[in-house]
Amino acid sequence: DARVTQTPRHKVTEMGQEVTMRCQPILGHNTVFWYRQTMMQGLELLAYFRNRAPLDDSGMPKDRFSAEMPDATLATLKIQPSEPRDSAVYFCASGLGTAYNEQFFGPGTRLTVL
Amino acid sequence: QKEVEQDPGPLSVPEGAIVSLNCTYSNSAFQYFMWYRQYSRKGPELLMYTYSSGNKEDGRFTAQVDKSSKYISLFIRDSQPSDSATYLCAMSEGGYQKVTFGIGTKLQVIP
Repeated sequence: DARVTQTPRHKVTEMGQEVTMRCQPILGHNTVFWYRQTMMQGLELLAYFRNRAPLDDSGMPKDRFSAEMPDATLATLKIQPSEPRDSAVYFCASGLGTAYNEQFFGPGTRLTVL
Repeated sequence: QKEVEQDPGPLSVPEGAIVSLNCTYSNSAFQYFMWYRQYSRKGPELLMYTYSSGNKEDGRFTAQVDKSSKYISLFIRDSQPSDSATYLCAMSEGGYQKVTFGIGTKLQVIP
């Protein structure tokens, strides 16, 4: 059963701390996306990788966020330093790079920054 | 103004009702139109996609796209309590461009 996995599922941290979220895309998928979801803003694209190369990170606050794909089986999203306004659910999704960019979402990481 | 507008609801209907969910958009370059369903505390999953204008039917679900009005709809016939979820419209220009999501409409089907 191929699924996107994300760790941790929940994270509570204090303001100023570094947060690292990890994602294992579905084997064989060549696109990876990071989203942030809040009640007020909905799903916001933070980063988009194709064949491990970043294609779009225009939605990501560059001063504190960074996204990488060290290899095809791992994508990471880091926040340093974290702030209370970063509290949200962070989703990773992967896909086969179809024309309409179908995405298979992971279960999300629920982040709370105190 | 957002590129994709969607009423967040909530929308509450009795079991068996026909549900209509809608989105409007401003980017005339959008070619692919999708509906994702998200259950509580889960990630979204693709329900249907349509290319350009027209209708597409899949079981109890029908997606409609009117590009001239920049308006898309999802109809659910004979709604079931298991349809209770948040429905997100999503759109893309194609060519592997990013997908832009609506905020999602929360639907509750009452038994």
